[in-house]
Amino acid sequence: AQTVTQSQPEMSVQEAETVTLSCTYDTSESDYYLFWYKQPPSRQMILVIRQEAYKQQNATENRFSVNFQKAAKSFSLKISDSQLGDAAMYFCAYRSPINSGNTPLVFGKGTRLSVIA
Amino acid sequence: ETGVTQTPRHLVMGMTNKKSLKCEQHLGHNAMYWYKQSAKKPLELMFVYNFKEQTENNSVPSRFSPECPNSSHLFLHLHTLQPEDSALYLCASSQVSWDYGYTFGSGTRLTVV
Repeated sequence: AQTVTQSQPEMSVQEAETVTLSCTYDTSESDYYLFWYKQPPSRQMILVIRQEAYKQQNATENRFSVNFQKAAKSFSLKISDSQLGDAAMYFCAYRSPINSGNTPLVFGKGTRLSVIA
Repeated sequence: ETGVTQTPRHLVMGMTNKKSLKCEQHLGHNAMYWYKQSAKKPLELMFVYNFKEQTENNSVPSRFSPECPNSSHLFLHLHTLQPEDSALYLCASSQVSWDYGYTFGSGTRLTVV
């Protein structure tokens, strides 16, 4: 079974600075999908960014980008120009490819990010 | 509002009560999920429904009973719960043939007293 590990329970960053959240995973599959979700105090999990394992290029969404290292099974999230609204729990998640059936997302334990004004 | 609505937002129930959590999505998705989120634990998958058929029951105790009458609605019926069942219960939906992740509701914060 796949597992996802987030080794940083808590992180903090100064407003306007850059922070990187770590995620590693364990799988024997060669094709899969990785996600970062954000859960603010409103509790709603919001998709931040998505990466397809067969794509070499790192995904980017505005101030959010990933560093995907397939061989190392590492998928870190970089937040640039941090804003107060970025404060939230961040979850890394793994999913097997669609052709293996509708396999559910597997989540890490999360990293709580605080943004300091 | 993302298109997945969960009610109620908060629920306090005694161990002998029977209650139900409701989830509704208007995104045209054909898969729905229940997750349990407890403090300091990863999100735990409870149930998966694809096209209204339950395809996964992740060793969940029988005091949790899911129901999916159609692809837009999902319920979680609760009875004789334990205090350790107190948690945030999240519903999500997705399109089986796509792979753009899930859309989540805001959850129901359940407290068992």
